[in-house]
Amino acid sequence: EAGVTQFPSHSVIEKGQTVTLRCDPISGHDNLYWYRRVMGKEIKFLLHFVKESKQDESGMPNNRFLAERTGGTYSTLKVQPAELEDSGVYFCASSPRRWDTEAFFGQGTRLTVV
Amino acid sequence: AQTVTQSQPEMSVQEAETVTLSCTYDTSESDYYLFWYKQPPSRQMILVIRQEAYKQQNATENRFSVNFQKAAKSFSLKISDSQLGDAAMYFCAYRSVEEGGSQGNLIFGKGTKLSVKP
Repeated sequence: EAGVTQFPSHSVIEKGQTVTLRCDPISGHDNLYWYRRVMGKEIKFLLHFVKESKQDESGMPNNRFLAERTGGTYSTLKVQPAELEDSGVYFCASSPRRWDTEAFFGQGTRLTVV
Repeated sequence: AQTVTQSQPEMSVQEAETVTLSCTYDTSESDYYLFWYKQPPSRQMILVIRQEAYKQQNATENRFSVNFQKAAKSFSLKISDSQLGDAAMYFCAYRSVEEGGSQGNLIFGKGTKLSVKP
């Protein structure tokens, strides 16, 4: 069974450009989470999907970030326009049910904004 | 709001020796989950061990065990017989189980980078 996969693994963009990160959760997992780790800081929650619906987006930093989950399958996280402080590693995780005690993580996308 | 603190940015251990990674947390909730995740250089985070707050018995997974002190809000990870493959970033995480809590979202510490010397 394939794990959580994220694309791209690394992205370098200029300030002001747009970047779209993609996450493919484990098949059948209704719950999908996005997290971000800025260098040297904690991994922070961004948002949580249950199927195609946003359950909690309280961690989204501002309106430059837009997350979607088409048909309850893969998810995208778009940053437009990107700022220097958006640099970091973006993690995606999935779990079958809301209260599952284990979330499965992808390898992350390292975003560098220059 | 809940917080998780890992006070050791980096730790080092000799192969085959034992090392303990510290984690403290703050919460007003009585029931919750605590986790240790490992992120090797390949960057995929893997669950190492979990602890349910209502269970007094410390969780154990092979060479990994925790010392859970609920009153002190402490959750340390002990790695016995350290192996080269244990070298990684280790993250301590908290998850609420109460209604109105973080609803399943993980709250992480900053991580501890563990090096294993041959």
